[in-house]
Amino acid sequence: ETGVTQSPTHLIKTRGQQVTLRCSSQSGHNTVSWYQQALGQGPQFIFQYYREEENGRGNFPPRFSGLQFPNYSSELNVNALELDDSALYLCASSLGGTTPYNEQFFGPGTRLTVL
Amino acid sequence: AQSVAQPEDQVNVAEGNPLTVKCTYSVSGNPYLFWYVQYPNRGLQFLLKYITGDNLVKGSYGFEAEFNKSQTSFHLKKPSALVSDSALYFCAVFSGSARQLTFGSGTQLTVLP
Repeated sequence: ETGVTQSPTHLIKTRGQQVTLRCSSQSGHNTVSWYQQALGQGPQFIFQYYREEENGRGNFPPRFSGLQFPNYSSELNVNALELDDSALYLCASSLGGTTPYNEQFFGPGTRLTVL
Repeated sequence: AQSVAQPEDQVNVAEGNPLTVKCTYSVSGNPYLFWYVQYPNRGLQFLLKYITGDNLVKGSYGFEAEFNKSQTSFHLKKPSALVSDSALYFCAVFSGSARQLTFGSGTQLTVLP
């Protein structure tokens, strides 16, 4: 059983560019959640995908968007990058959509730097 | 809106001594509470959770947490700290109404040899 993987590990972009981050969920998991972790802060919920549909969204603007594929892997897209988007982006997979009963398993994250 | 407070940015404890990392929460409805640990350059690892039942929850690596409804607290504890426990610890609350997991700002635990 493989864990949650994310790519790339690190990424450097300039302000105004667009970026795509990728996440492969743990085997058997049908739910992927994305978080933004700024330096020195806790992770903040961006959104969740369950069975290819957005299943909840945090307080992030529409330029943060995502996809989930039939194999339950997922992408996070950020358009018009801003300096404040510099952060560690974490993906977490779980089973069963929005439920507290199944814990989320986190990937190692993608470190995005916006210059 | 739900929220989590971790009042201590840093906790230092000597190896072999008991440790406590504090967490208080605010949520409407039933609280579902979690502790995660983050090692440098790695994602978060699940330690334990409280959903219902006994107020003392046991988790991974010898950690436990005590749920106190009247004080809205969920403090993480370990009877005897190890140097390898040094890491960043996050408390989180799940809100059914908001349908999301909300994390605290984290507490850096340092266990001194």
